[in-house]
This record gives sequence, C-alpha cells and structure tokens, in this order.
Amino acid sequence: GAVVSQHPSRVICKSGTSVKIECRSLDFQATTMFWYRQFPKQSLMLMATSNEGSKATYEQGVEKDKFLINHASLTLSTLTVTSAHPEDSSFYICSARGDRGYHEQFFGPGTRLTVL
Amino acid sequence: KQEVTQIPAALSVPEGENLVLNCSFTDSAIYNLQWFRQDPGKGLTSLLLIQSSQREQTSGRLNASLDKSSGRSTLYIAASQPGDSATYLCAVRNAGGTSYGKLTFGQGTILTVHP
Repeated sequence: GAVVSQHPSRVICKSGTSVKIECRSLDFQATTMFWYRQFPKQSLMLMATSNEGSKATYEQGVEKDKFLINHASLTLSTLTVTSAHPEDSSFYICSARGDRGYHEQFFGPGTRLTVL
Repeated sequence: KQEVTQIPAALSVPEGENLVLNCSFTDSAIYNLQWFRQDPGKGLTSLLLIQSSQREQTSGRLNASLDKSSGRSTLYIAASQPGDSATYLCAVRNAGGTSYGKLTFGQGTILTVHP
C-alpha cells in the first residue's frame, strides 16, 4: 500500500526555537498534502492543505506565519513551527493524497513535538 | 457544518467477541467514508474505505457498512483479538459545504480486547 513517512518522529526543543517536520510520500506522487494536529485523547484537527507548487490553505484559527508549510515537490511537504512555545506541543500528523484512486488519504506516523 | 459522532466512546470486551462500532454524520453530501485504526502515539492506518455509492466493504475480520441517506456507518469486527485494541476513527470526505474535499473525523472509539 501507499506509504507516507515523517521525520523526526519525536522532537524536543526550547521555547523560541523553530522546528521543521518533513513528510514524504514514498511510493506515490502526492498532489495534495494535509497537516493535522492532535491533542491528547482528541481527534485530528486539520491545520492546512497544500497542493504541490501552490501556497497552503490554512484552516480558520491557524496562524500561517507560525506554521509555515512548503510543498515543494510531489513527494515532499514540510511544516515549520516558528518561534515554538509550550502550547505548540502536540502530535502533528501529515497525510497525502495523490494519483491513487478514490480520493484515499494515507497518513504518516506522526511527530511528537514537545516545547520546553 | 459536518459533524461526525462515534458511539461508544470506549468499549472493553473479552477476546473472541464480535463487536460493532458506530459512526454517524450530519451531512449526507460525502464522497466516501473511511475507518482508521490508531495505536497510542502512532499515526493512522486505513482499514476500509467505502465510496458513497457503495453499501459495504470487507477486509478479513472487518466489515464496514454505509447508509448514506441516514448518515450512518458501522464497523463490525469478528472474533476480536487483543491485538485489535486501539482507537478506531471514522472520517467522511465532504462533497459540499465549507469543508469540501476535506476529511471530518469523529472523536474515536477506544477499544480494549482483554484475553
């Protein structure tokens, strides 16, 4: 099946630093990638949608200057959390949808971000 | 605005039982519905995807049904095993409204199968 990878799987950083998370589709071309955020014991909340070569579309309430998304190629999207604060600590999951049929989305393993 | 509800929120059963997880959605304008499994601290694994024109899909011990007109789906797990313990999420892909093309997730059902 289609595989989506994320790197790193865990990251701990100090408040005020920036953190970059990579999302790759390994065996298919992802025309659309999605970034989600999940708080403990809660469901996934969509943060933004990006199409290759275009600017990301952010959901209401998500700060685009804080969560920078780049979808530079059909296999790679990055999420950069700028000037991270403890309240940004969360589980970030990317998802990709591409040339496989039926609009199925495939999800990465997630990245646990802890901001001290 | 699409809302997805999953019942029950948590379920604990002995090994070997057949069980049913429920999912309901408020807007029937959907492309498809997906059932996912999420293990603690992990990403999502897609279990079954049902297109809006389909009534059910089966994979091994899993069977998912969809009644789009009534806004309901069920995930049936036969002969449950301890390895089935996880959170099960249902999500619909919206075909209309402000969430067009996006997935809306339910809150999940936490399943525990004890030996």
